[in-house]
Amino acid sequence: GAVVSQHPSRVICKSGTSVKIECRSLDFQATTMFWYRQFPKQSLMLMATSNEGSKATYEQGVEKDKFLINHASLTLSTLTVTSAHPEDSSFYICSARDHGLSGYTFGSGTRLTVV
Amino acid sequence: QKEVEQDPGPLSVPEGAIVSLNCTYSNSAFQYFMWYRQYSRKGPELLMYTYSSGNKEDGRFTAQVDKSSKYISLFIRDSQPSDSATYLCAMSRSGGSYIPTFGRGTSLIVHP
Repeated sequence: GAVVSQHPSRVICKSGTSVKIECRSLDFQATTMFWYRQFPKQSLMLMATSNEGSKATYEQGVEKDKFLINHASLTLSTLTVTSAHPEDSSFYICSARDHGLSGYTFGSGTRLTVV
Repeated sequence: QKEVEQDPGPLSVPEGAIVSLNCTYSNSAFQYFMWYRQYSRKGPELLMYTYSSGNKEDGRFTAQVDKSSKYISLFIRDSQPSDSATYLCAMSRSGGSYIPTFGRGTSLIVHP
């Protein structure tokens, strides 16, 4: 089945620094990938839709200058949290849809802790 | 009112019990219905995918959709401790980009 690899699984960074999270589709090409944020015991909140070769589409209330998304190839999308603050600490998850299959495949998530 | 409502639980059952997980929704445009299982600190894993009304069975899991009532269910037979996880329902519209809308998830605990 479709596999989405996400790295790192866990990262701790200092306030003010930037963190990059990678999301790769391993056995299929994904022209579109999605980035979610999840707080404890809460649902997935869609942050943005990443489009290969073009600008990402951000959901209302998500700061595009803070959460930089790059989708430079059909198998890789990156999310960079810039100038991170403790309130950015959360679980970030990417997903992609293999058009040959039903449903969406998710990465394993990245636990970001900003200290 | 949220588009998708799901009781967060926790739902605690003994091993071997039949589990019923449910979601309601308000948008009649939803055509595709999914159930995901999420273990702690992991990404969601697709369990079931259905289109329109009816039942779909896969091993111990049965997904049921009632579009007239805007109500979907996931049944787990012979529940096991390894089924302990959060179960999220998700649904999407026909056409467009099919971006799913998720429920908040129900925490299931199956105790031995």
